Amino acid sequence: EAQVTQNPRYLITVTGKKLTVTCSQNMNHEYMSWYRQDPGLGLRQIYYSMNVEVTDKGDVPEGYKVSRKEKRNFPLILESPSPNQTSLYFCASKETGKIYEQYFGPGTRLTVT
Amino acid sequence: GDSVTQMEGPVTLSEEAFLTINCTYTATGYPSLFWYVQYPGEGLQLLLKATKADDKGSNKGFEATYRKETTSFHLEKGSVQVSDSAVYFCALAGGTSYGKLTFGQGTILTVHP
Repeated sequence: EAQVTQNPRYLITVTGKKLTVTCSQNMNHEYMSWYRQDPGLGLRQIYYSMNVEVTDKGDVPEGYKVSRKEKRNFPLILESPSPNQTSLYFCASKETGKIYEQYFGPGTRLTVT
Repeated sequence: GDSVTQMEGPVTLSEEAFLTINCTYTATGYPSLFWYVQYPGEGLQLLLKATKADDKGSNKGFEATYRKETTSFHLEKGSVQVSDSAVYFCALAGGTSYGKLTFGQGTILTVHP
């Protein structure tokens, strides 16, 4: 089954404790991205990657890092989480050359206290 | 930059009522337009799309027409069901930024029996 998976689905942590949210896709997609969803703001792109070792900032990259060492994986790293990063996070992937049909993961609910 | 504006919500309807969720956009060039749906506790799923002016996207009884003259992509359904209760997001891609989806703020739809 074609899918994007994320782990963990739920995470409660404390300010300053480094964490990683994993994302993996099995569709051989080159393009992957991370979004955060906040009430009243919709989804906003954090980072994206057009291929292995190629990443770039989205609209709200502050406080986040990403890496793309393998085509299927695109982890999101919060090196020093703060309460304003409490949000619902989605990973997405799509084929290069098609500007539509992004596939989304199930989401990770992060709470930073 | 690109932007998407959705009608204010939430929207509450009785089963079999007519649904309209308004969406307008601002973008450079010729974006593609989408409606995504998010059921409770799940990720986003593509509901329908339109890639050029006057295209009509349709799926599961929902329809939306790409209106370039009014920069709109309103979502409609003639008879909603309880199972349509979800959050609906209007989005665009391919304006000024390849791959990135620019989302509206989302509209919560609740359908009562």
